Amino acid sequence: NAGVTQTPKFQVLKTGQSMTLQCAQDMNHEYMSWYRQDPGMGLRLIHYSVGAGITDQGEVPNGYNVSRSTTEDFPLRLLSAAPSQTSVYFCASSYLRYHEQYFGPGTRLTVT
Amino acid sequence: KQEVTQIPAALSVPEGENLVLNCSFTDSAIYNLQWFRQDPGKGLTSLLLIQSSQREQTSGRLNASLDKSSGRSTLYIAASQPGDSATYLCAVRDNAGNMLTFGGGTRLMVKP
Repeated sequence: NAGVTQTPKFQVLKTGQSMTLQCAQDMNHEYMSWYRQDPGMGLRLIHYSVGAGITDQGEVPNGYNVSRSTTEDFPLRLLSAAPSQTSVYFCASSYLRYHEQYFGPGTRLTVT
Repeated sequence: KQEVTQIPAALSVPEGENLVLNCSFTDSAIYNLQWFRQDPGKGLTSLLLIQSSQREQTSGRLNASLDKSSGRSTLYIAASQPGDSATYLCAVRDNAGNMLTFGGGTRLMVKP
C-alpha cells in the first residue's frame, strides 16, 4: 500500500491564483480530512469527509473548498490564494472517524 | 472549546535516558487520544492510540497512559536513542468524533 499520498510537495502561488492540492489513499478508508500546520498555531482542521459524497467544515474552512466523489480521493481547492494561506497542508485518513489517523507527507504552499 | 497543551515545548537528553512527555487537555469528554511523531519536513507518524476507556497502551519502548478525569496523558520513552529525536504531538478526538485537536508538540533531541 502507498498509504496517503499528496501532490505537489511544494507550490508557490501568486495572490489571487487558484489551485488544487491532491490527496489520495489506497487503504479503503471512509474518513478523510485536511489540516494546515502553522508555527505557533499547531495543526488545525480545514475540512473533513466521512465518506464519498459527504463533506463538512472544520475549524478554519474559509477560502477552501473540498469535494469527495470517490472513496480514494479528497482534493482541496484554494479558490483565490491569499498570503495568509501560506502553510504546510496535510491530508489524513482513517477507516472510520474514530480510528487511528494516517497522515500524508504534506504540501508546502507559499503565496506571494 | 478543547485546548491541548504539551509541556515542555523542547527537551534535550543524553542517549539512554528514560523520559516522559506530557499532554494535558481541558475537556475530559474525549473519545480517544493519539500520539504522533513528526520528523523535520515530514508528515505525522502515528505512535499510539488510546481509547477513552483505556488506561495505557504500549508499543516497543513506548508507553502511553491516559487519565481522562484529570485531563492528562503521558508518553514514556524507555532507553532513548538519537533516532528518537523528533517532535512528538498529542491529539484528542471529541465524543462527536469530528474534531481532532492537537497540542503544540514537544521537540525532543537525544544526544549521542
